[in-house]
Amino acid sequence: DTGVSQNPRHKITKRGQNVTFRCDPISEHNRLYWYRQTLGQGPEFLTYFQNEAQLEKSRLLSDRFSAERPKGSFSTLEIQRTEQGDSAMYLCASSLNRGGTDTQYFGPGTRLTVL
Amino acid sequence: AQSVTQLGSHVSVSEGALVLLRCNYSSSVPPYLFWYVQYPNQGLQLLLKYTSAATLVKGINGFEAEFKKSETSFHLTKPSAHMSDAAEYFCAVSEGYGNNRLAFGKGNQVVVIP
Repeated sequence: DTGVSQNPRHKITKRGQNVTFRCDPISEHNRLYWYRQTLGQGPEFLTYFQNEAQLEKSRLLSDRFSAERPKGSFSTLEIQRTEQGDSAMYLCASSLNRGGTDTQYFGPGTRLTVL
Repeated sequence: AQSVTQLGSHVSVSEGALVLLRCNYSSSVPPYLFWYVQYPNQGLQLLLKYTSAATLVKGINGFEAEFKKSETSFHLTKPSAHMSDAAEYFCAVSEGYGNNRLAFGKGNQVVVIP
C-alpha cells in the first residue's frame, strides 16, 4: 500500500510566475485535503475534495489559488502570480470517509520558495 | 470554530525521562482529537486519535493521550523518552460529521538530551 505522494518535493520560482503541484492520494481514498504550513506554524487548511467535488475552501485560498481533482483521483494545486508570502510547505492528505470522522494521511509535502 | 493551543514551542527532555506535551482545544461540538508527529523534511504521521470511545488512547511508539472534557485537554505522554522521539509534534481537532478539516496547534519541537 503506497502512501500519499506529492510532486515536486521542492520548487523555487520567481515572484509573478505560476506554479502547479500534484498530489496522488492513497488509492480508494475518496477525500483529499490541501494544507499550507509556514515556518514555525502548524498546517492550515486550504481546501478539500470528496471524489471530484470541491466541498470547502478556506478564506486563506485567494483568487490566485485554484485546486482541481478532475477524476476523483490525483489533485493539482495551482498558484498564479506567486508572491513571496506564498513561500511555504504545501501538504496534501487523503482519507477514506464513510460518514463520521476520518483519519487523514499526509504526504511529504512540496516546499515552495518564491524569490 | 474549533482551535488548539499548544504552549511552549520547544520542549527539552532527557533521554529516559517523561515526555509531556500539552494540548487544549476549543470546539462547539464534541471534538475528534489527533496527535501527529513530523520528522525533518517529512509529512505528518499519525500518532494517535480520540474519536469518542475510550478516553485514554494508546498510539504508536509508546505514546498515549488522555481526553479530559472538563479540562478541554488532550495531553500527550510517553513514560521514557528515546533519542528517536526528537521531532515536532502537532495536536489537531476536527468537528467531524462532514466537517473534517483539521485545525492544528503551532506544534512542539521536542529535543531529547542524551
